[in-house]
Amino acid sequence: QVQLQQSGAELARPGASVKLSCKASGYTFTSYWMQWVKQRPGQGLEWIGAIYPGDGDTRYTQKFKGKATLTADKSSSTAYMQLSSLASEDSAVYYCARRVTMTYAMDYWGQGTSVTVSS
Amino acid sequence: DVVLTQTPLSLPVNIGDQASISCKSTKSLLNSDGFTYLDWYLQKPGQSPQLLIYLVSNRFSGVPDRFSGSGSGTDFTLKISRVEAEDLGVYYCFQSNYLPYTFGGGTKLEIK
Repeated sequence: QVQLQQSGAELARPGASVKLSCKASGYTFTSYWMQWVKQRPGQGLEWIGAIYPGDGDTRYTQKFKGKATLTADKSSSTAYMQLSSLASEDSAVYYCARRVTMTYAMDYWGQGTSVTVSS
Repeated sequence: DVVLTQTPLSLPVNIGDQASISCKSTKSLLNSDGFTYLDWYLQKPGQSPQLLIYLVSNRFSGVPDRFSGSGSGTDFTLKISRVEAEDLGVYYCFQSNYLPYTFGGGTKLEIK
């Protein structure tokens, strides 16, 4: 069965970087786009970007260019998102989600990783 | 960017009532391939979002038939025919026709 297992909660200092992971299983990792979504406490969902692990192609919302860097390791079927120059507004839960090839819908989601930025 | 506007923000209902949520887009979501890339997701309290409806009106596997989606172009609707307690949470529409992809602001379905 398809599973997306995300890494554990992060506590980071302002200005630091964190690298979140999303380990996929139960399907061919290189054949599906992986999307990343941000949710600040008590707020709605925000699409960050996506990566196609097959060739490393990426898409980003303009707002997250320079903030988020998406990568993928085919050997371990793991997608990564690095967040740099962390500030308080980066404190949020971050989700990875698989995108269905034909319909573009996000059919499977990870459990989310909480990032807290605090000095 | 495409903006999706959901109404209402909050929807108090009684169990067994019908509920309806609107999602309006600033651009038509009809793609040149003939598909309209508009989905609906439900986020239950403390959980990850889950897919309910894709391509406007197609129920995802395991989604009860009391959920239905309709619409075209820029106007879309999610209906729940008889609300059950397990349906409570925040509903989001989402478009993947234009980059960057965007979510609606969410509609919170709660007990009256």
